[in-house]
Amino acid sequence: GAGVSQSPRYKVTKRGQDVALRCDPISGHVSLYWYRQALGQGPEFLTYFNYEAQQDKSGLPNDRFSAERPEGSISTLTIQRTEQRDSAMYRCASSQLGRSNEKLFFGSGTQLSVL
Amino acid sequence: DQQVKQNSPSLSVQEGRISILNCDYTNSMFDYFLWYKKYPAEGPTFLISISSIKDKNEDGRFTVFLNKSAKHLSLHIVPSQPGDSAVYFCAASAETSGSRLTFGEGTQLTVNP
Repeated sequence: GAGVSQSPRYKVTKRGQDVALRCDPISGHVSLYWYRQALGQGPEFLTYFNYEAQQDKSGLPNDRFSAERPEGSISTLTIQRTEQRDSAMYRCASSQLGRSNEKLFFGSGTQLSVL
Repeated sequence: DQQVKQNSPSLSVQEGRISILNCDYTNSMFDYFLWYKKYPAEGPTFLISISSIKDKNEDGRFTVFLNKSAKHLSLHIVPSQPGDSAVYFCAASAETSGSRLTFGEGTQLTVNP
């Protein structure tokens, strides 16, 4: 696609429910990143993939968070048993080659609200 | 620990004047630095970058300066325009981490007509 696409744009859920956030990166981009952004803060790294392989998941807060990119394109970030503290903007980004000295292209994000 | 810091949450300048946004980092492994610009309800968009082998990179009205010894970089916008009003994020990456970026907290720039 022309840009990084994320869905849904907004997600409101009740505490304890599972949510799945979707990211469709720029076509052909090797690397895909998930970030979380709290209000008034910069994006905070969660995890990233090169093709379908998860390279680094050190930023995932706990084991309720997981991500996959099974075919090396679309990715899903899943949060199980959501808690109010999970409320944030979740941003996906992709880069062409996954090398250093590359810029990331960001989507518009999914705003998650856990009630 | 906050490896990239932007100590000024906000900056207000007059149209036509220079805007200077500052960023400090602590990780000496960082070798690539970027500035992103973010408008409300949009994702961050890339603005300009600099490699650690340089101390200056210019693109039109935007110039980024890097002082490695001080672990400090700055973004200069001249002349500033009202359309430049946005949140600016400083980000950094290390060769060992691919294109993973570490971001600062952001600075809200307001350019007044």
